[in-house]
Amino acid sequence: AQTVTQSQPEMSVQEAETVTLSCTYDTSESDYYLFWYKQPPSRQMILVIRQEAYKQQNATENRFSVNFQKAAKSFSLKISDSQLGDAAMYFCAVNAGGTSYGKLTFGQGTILTVHP
Amino acid sequence: DGGITQSPKYLFRKEGQNVTLSCEQNLNHDAMYWYRQDPGQGLRLIYYSQIVNDFQKGDIAEGYSVSREKKESFPLTVTSAQKNPTAFYLCASSIGRQGRADEKLFFGSGTQLSVL
Repeated sequence: AQTVTQSQPEMSVQEAETVTLSCTYDTSESDYYLFWYKQPPSRQMILVIRQEAYKQQNATENRFSVNFQKAAKSFSLKISDSQLGDAAMYFCAVNAGGTSYGKLTFGQGTILTVHP
Repeated sequence: DGGITQSPKYLFRKEGQNVTLSCEQNLNHDAMYWYRQDPGQGLRLIYYSQIVNDFQKGDIAEGYSVSREKKESFPLTVTSAQKNPTAFYLCASSIGRQGRADEKLFFGSGTQLSVL
């Protein structure tokens, strides 16, 4: 079984500042992937970034980066130079593959507000 | 443009009625999924299909049924047995490489189901 916990229901940030969203997870698998998805007001889910558990190097996609602490089972998302368009609900998710592939398990989500 | 189309955008169900949510994709993906999203919560997997004419129950399949007669289509029926059907329903697809945990899910724009 897989579980994902996002302990911050809401976060806010000033435009151009940096914000970090927290996520912890649990899985019994050794091979798995972690994801951050964004759900803007349109409610369409958009992949922000993904990280393979075997890779030591933290993933980066433009202004988005992760801090992956495997031993602590922590997978936080850092958004640099925040923009108004970053306002959305952010979901952390884990997929352990094998017979469970595609069965993403999501956290409860964090609503991010960006202040101009 | 390739993508996933969900219809209708809004749907209302009367007591004792079955309703069907449509999901069509033209991405040539083998795998398709149905997720349910309740307010303030993450997504929970209802059913998924890795190939035509085959599907598996997710974490909350009770009260729902699906079919996968064509690669492009994965309709979800919310039956009268589902006592709390009000939610936002998201369909997704992925390439479907068996055993791979890194696959990106492509999501539709969702259907909001409400009970009259």
